[in-house]
Amino acid sequence: QKEVEQDPGPLSVPEGAIVSLNCTYSNSAFQYFMWYRQYSRKGPELLMYTYSSGNKEDGRFTAQVDKSSKYISLFIRDSQPSDSATYLCAMSGSGSARQLTFGSGTQLTVLP
Amino acid sequence: DGGITQSPKYLFRKEGQNVTLSCEQNLNHDAMYWYRQDPGQGLRLIYYSQIVNDFQKGDIAEGYSVSREKKESFPLTVTSAQKNPTAFYLCASSRGQGRLGFTDTQYFGPGTRLTVL
Repeated sequence: QKEVEQDPGPLSVPEGAIVSLNCTYSNSAFQYFMWYRQYSRKGPELLMYTYSSGNKEDGRFTAQVDKSSKYISLFIRDSQPSDSATYLCAMSGSGSARQLTFGSGTQLTVLP
Repeated sequence: DGGITQSPKYLFRKEGQNVTLSCEQNLNHDAMYWYRQDPGQGLRLIYYSQIVNDFQKGDIAEGYSVSREKKESFPLTVTSAQKNPTAFYLCASSRGQGRLGFTDTQYFGPGTRLTVL
């Protein structure tokens, strides 16, 4: 079993839809949670960063962390065709366990 | 204009050949990383370096080698011992792990796509 599981999709939604992307994990030591967006043939770019449980909002994006369920989510409101990309979750612990562990990515297409 | 550059963008390797991928950063970051990305498998850590002249193996270091002679540069050599080198290679850097209790946000370069002929 992988430490981080992410539904690979592909996921297609109409423009303006609310998108929900999710990851589950098994390592209870993970405390830091990130979402990266990767356009085709490009390097990932950091989208959201959260520490421990709770919500964080940035414009149309909301990141949620539920440590009790070992479950994280990224919500995209009013999705746009420019949001079409692969979304990668990543997480790490602290101390000697600070290296990032990535999910396999979810491919999202927003149709105009 | 700060950032991470990788070259070349595309690279072709013949069987039995060693190739070196370049990664340079001008962000004054202490830590640098190399990842490999294959379809459906996300990013896997090859090597990382937290300081000049020091580096550590990641999860899939076999068949790869690195050096860190300068803070700005972290080249990756894909040796002939790497049996399945065709992949997308990503370099990343971060400020370093000096602050207790904080993780270290990584910033990625544009990647190099390596294909074995």
